[in-house]
Amino acid sequence: DADVTQTPRNRITKTGKRIMLECSQTKGHDRMYWYRQDPGLGLRLIYYSFDVKDINKGEISDGYSVSRQAQAKFSLSLESAIPNQTALYFCATSDPSSGRSGEQYFGPGTRLTVT
Amino acid sequence: RKEVEQDPGPFNVPEGATVAFNCTYSNSASQSFFWYRQDCRKEPKLLMSVYSSGNEDGRFTAQLNRASQYISLLIRDSKLSDSATYLCVVNPNTGNQFYFGTGTSLTVIP
Repeated sequence: DADVTQTPRNRITKTGKRIMLECSQTKGHDRMYWYRQDPGLGLRLIYYSFDVKDINKGEISDGYSVSRQAQAKFSLSLESAIPNQTALYFCATSDPSSGRSGEQYFGPGTRLTVT
Repeated sequence: RKEVEQDPGPFNVPEGATVAFNCTYSNSASQSFFWYRQDCRKEPKLLMSVYSSGNEDGRFTAQLNRASQYISLLIRDSKLSDSATYLCVVNPNTGNQFYFGTGTSLTVIP
């Protein structure tokens, strides 16, 4: 089984709808991240969380919110989706205490299309 | 100015060739540097960390030049399976945000 899972894998939604993307991990890592990837722009950080009580805005948090329900779960919400939020979304985890502080483990991604 | 900049390519090279990618970063205080590999429509995966003294892993060599603020990745004896996008990643503050380059596309041709 995959260590970092994301649901749904693909989603098409309409402008103005609320949508939640979910991420779960079995790696036992405290740190979790949400990124979006757009052609020509690379991965950009939306939000990150260092533990259940710690949530931080990333580079492009406007229009998004997150919830860290447990160490293993980190959800991303689009309260009112708009077409320019069409992108590939990745969840990731990391564990600095492992001595491999640069290694992030990514989920398989969610391809979101807002029409 | 972007935190991390890469030449997007594409690089199309024959099997067996040597190819090198560079990546520049804007924050001179950056602490940690990495190369990730991303296959088409897949998630990024860590290829190697980049250490100050340079490091090698098989056919792959990574180097850091702090004075000029760039990191490089050299791939020797290219294989078809090396075809992918290579992402440069910089962590300015060790443990906080990671900044990703846009990626360099490599296609190895038979």
